[in-house]
Amino acid sequence: DTGVSQDPRHKITKRGQNVTFRCDPISEHNRLYWYRQTLGQGPEFLTYFQNEAQLEKSRLLSDRFSAERPKGSFSTLEIQRTEQGDSAMYLCASSQGAGGADTDTQYFGPGTRLTVL
Amino acid sequence: GQQVMQIPQYQHVQEGEDFTTYCNSSTTLSNIQWYKQRPGGHPVFLIQLVKSGEVKKQKRLTFQFGEAKKNSSLHITATQTTDVGTYFCAVDNSNSGYALNFGKGTSLLVTP
Repeated sequence: DTGVSQDPRHKITKRGQNVTFRCDPISEHNRLYWYRQTLGQGPEFLTYFQNEAQLEKSRLLSDRFSAERPKGSFSTLEIQRTEQGDSAMYLCASSQGAGGADTDTQYFGPGTRLTVL
Repeated sequence: GQQVMQIPQYQHVQEGEDFTTYCNSSTTLSNIQWYKQRPGGHPVFLIQLVKSGEVKKQKRLTFQFGEAKKNSSLHITATQTTDVGTYFCAVDNSNSGYALNFGKGTSLLVTP
């Protein structure tokens, strides 16, 4: 399978616990994005990477959230001290990143569904 | 970033009927993308429109970008049960230039 993969697919945790999600983008895609989606809403942008550099963070990304892409390949998203409001689907997407400011096609992974009890 | 409003929120049609969803912005858009998300699935890219007045077709789907580049529509002719899902329009998050701002989507239900 050469698409975007995410792990785990589902995560149930208790309030206050830390969780970490992993995203493996399509091979050789330079750009990697994290989005959050709640029921009945479209995906909301959280952050994105160009290779290993985190270039943009949304105001939605509180101090409890941190994302990394250490070698410019896979990425992790960690949420510390989870709250019930963090319950959502966390989607990862990647794009080729052909350069310039043109929007390039984003390919989404299956998502990690987080439930905070 | 740029924001878009999408209507209707829901649409229930009989198989064979047509369906249209609209996406509107108060500002001029550089481009617009459309995605489909099946129930329990993830967004899948359908198309990107860039030019003023652009019309693109994919089988029974017709995508249109307004002359003023402030609105767009997706029209499905003769819906099938496989068309069920939520259709999102998405525009550039102008802060980052690469990330997307999605509309709230139109959920389509098709009954046989």
